[in-house]
Amino acid sequence: SYELTQPLSVSVALGQTANITCEGYNIGTKYVHWYQQKPGQAPALVIFRDNNRPSGIPERFSGSSSGNTATLTITRAQAGDEADYYCQVWDSHIVIFGGGTGLSVL
Amino acid sequence: QVQLVESGGVLVKPGGSLRVACTASGFSFSDYFMSWIRQAPGKGLEWISYMSASGATKRYADSVRGRFIISRDNANNLLFLQMDNLRAEDTAVYYCASLGGSYHPFDSWGQGTLVTVSS
Repeated sequence: SYELTQPLSVSVALGQTANITCEGYNIGTKYVHWYQQKPGQAPALVIFRDNNRPSGIPERFSGSSSGNTATLTITRAQAGDEADYYCQVWDSHIVIFGGGTGLSVL
Repeated sequence: QVQLVESGGVLVKPGGSLRVACTASGFSFSDYFMSWIRQAPGKGLEWISYMSASGATKRYADSVRGRFIISRDNANNLLFLQMDNLRAEDTAVYYCASLGGSYHPFDSWGQGTLVTVSS
C-alpha cells in the first residue's frame, strides 16, 4: 500500500522560511494536499493540488511537488504558524495521510 | 458559512456498538462527498471512510472494513458512522469532512467527537 513519510518535527526561526517535506513513491504524479492542525483544533486545508491556496490562506504558504518529494513552504514564519502539518494524496480511490510534522517557531 | 457538527461520541465497552452523526449546514450537502477521519490521542490523522454524494459509492480503510458502515440522509443533511465490534484501538476523535468528489481535498472539517473504547 502507498505510504507518505514526513519528518516528525521541523524548527524555524521567527521570520525565516520553513520547508516541510512529504515523501512518497512518484508523488510528483499525484495531487498533494496539505492540512494545518493547531493544538485543540480540527485540521484545516492550507494547500490543495500541490500549490493552490484556499481563500483566506496567506501567500506565505506555498507548495511544490516533483519526483518522490512534495514540499510545503512557509515564508516569514510567525508564532501563529506553530502547528502539525499533514500531507495527503489519493491512491487507487483510497485516502492516504502522511504521519504529520510538528512545526516549531523559535 | 459551512458548518459540520459531529455528535454521539461516548465511552463504550470493547465489543460494543455506537453510531456517531455529523450535521451539515451552509452548503449543498447532497452535492458533496462526505468522509470520516479519525485521530487517536496524540497520533496522526487516519482516513476511515467516504461516501459519494448520492450514496452509491462507499469506501473503507482496511482497519474498519466489515465493522463500520457509513451512511447519509441527504434530506436532512446528516452523515452517519455506525461502528460495531469496537476495539480499544478505535479510541479517537472522529471528524467528518466534506469534499467535492473523489480525488478532491477535504475542504471543510467538523470539530470532532470523542469515542472512547474501554472496559
